[in-house]
Amino acid sequence: DQQVKQNSPSLSVQEGRISILNCDYTNSMFDYFLWYKKYPAEGPTFLISISSIKDKNEDGRFTVFLNKSAKHLSLHIVPSQPGDSAVYFCAASAYGNQFYFGTGTSLTVIP
Amino acid sequence: DAGVTQSPTHLIKTRGQHVTLRCSPISGHKSVSWYQQVLGQGPQFIFQYYEKEERGRGNFPDRFSARQFPNYSSELNVNALLLGDSALYLCASTPEALRHEQYFGPGTRLTVT
Repeated sequence: DQQVKQNSPSLSVQEGRISILNCDYTNSMFDYFLWYKKYPAEGPTFLISISSIKDKNEDGRFTVFLNKSAKHLSLHIVPSQPGDSAVYFCAASAYGNQFYFGTGTSLTVIP
Repeated sequence: DAGVTQSPTHLIKTRGQHVTLRCSPISGHKSVSWYQQVLGQGPQFIFQYYEKEERGRGNFPDRFSARQFPNYSSELNVNALLLGDSALYLCASTPEALRHEQYFGPGTRLTVT
């Protein structure tokens, strides 16, 4: 049972434009959400997180939005750069217990 | 400072065999988690260890076991390998058990033939 879903397997964006990656979850007990970035032959790298008590968290070019009523979060990357091309995973946990990951979205930023 | 290291990088085993994967966390990190990533899927949680004790276990059969040593390094053991065990096995470390930002190693690619 997939508790965290990323319904877009891939996304292509022009350099300089905004990239929006989406993630949906089903478990209302999730209280912490994270985004990871993964390059080939490397492990996932932590990008940004958000607690369920917030609806937005920003770190440089990366902003994560959380809509608890819709059980939806999104990652915005502005402006997108070619080096952002990677697979992005969202993950969620309840009370610091195990993390549930989505299936990933492959982002390609076109120069 | 060294990140999370895992060995071996790649491994090929035959069905029915046993495998041991190793992980060394970032210096000072006391918690290690193991994940299985099958091609096209996200990482799936297998185990979390903190201070040498199991703190969490995912939905995996008893063929999967793990342990953590006094130096906080960890081993993942899989018995009676099946073709479906072919995957990338990721290890992640955190300073404390409930810390949210996990630091992942590069993984061990296991192929079962």
